[in-house]
Amino acid sequence: AQKITQTQPGMFVQEKEAVTLDCTYDTSDPSYGLFWYKQPSSGEMIFLIYQGSYDQQNATEGRYSLNFQKARKSANLVISASQLGDSAMYFCAMREGETSYDKVIFGPGTSLSVIP
Amino acid sequence: DTGVSQDPRHKITKRGQNVTFRCDPISEHNRLYWYRQTLGQGPEFLTYFQNEAQLEKSRLLSDRFSAERPKGSFSTLEIQRTEQGDSAMYLCASRPPGTSSSYEQYFGPGTRLTVT
Repeated sequence: AQKITQTQPGMFVQEKEAVTLDCTYDTSDPSYGLFWYKQPSSGEMIFLIYQGSYDQQNATEGRYSLNFQKARKSANLVISASQLGDSAMYFCAMREGETSYDKVIFGPGTSLSVIP
Repeated sequence: DTGVSQDPRHKITKRGQNVTFRCDPISEHNRLYWYRQTLGQGPEFLTYFQNEAQLEKSRLLSDRFSAERPKGSFSTLEIQRTEQGDSAMYLCASRPPGTSSSYEQYFGPGTRLTVT
């Protein structure tokens, strides 16, 4: 079964507008964390934001915020004031448990295109 | 402060040949991960090292694949008798020791393998 689901294969957003990228996850472990990574066409994975399952507040990093709804098992990424440089693939990912391994499972990704 | 580096960036090989990739993590990072990413998919975990010890391997890592991290610094990933299905981007990531509130993994630029 898919652990991470991203139902939007492609998204378009007007420059300077906000956009929400959806992510749902599946785990029975009470301790886990959700990530969002950005992958531009150059290929390098860029860390954006992290939310721990026990964190009381939604994570924010500059223009990025994570809308964490634990009961619904969703961890949507909100990008405010989109910029042309935001055009990239975006991956939601999850780590489970509290081991030193920190194996991360990635979703299939959403391609975001910012329109001038 | 240099990031994670990988060499080569691109490799084209004929089916049946052996290939070896190298990853140099960020210095002081004792945790090292290898991922494989095929076109249109998110990265898939292959293996994890803590210092020189290989602590976890995915079932994706068939017996044609071997990874080493002999002195706990750089790592190599070797694929023997390459097959066309091995064509992918191979990503390396590293993490520092101890706990981190973000659990961020720092990714290299990847090695793109094409098997003809």
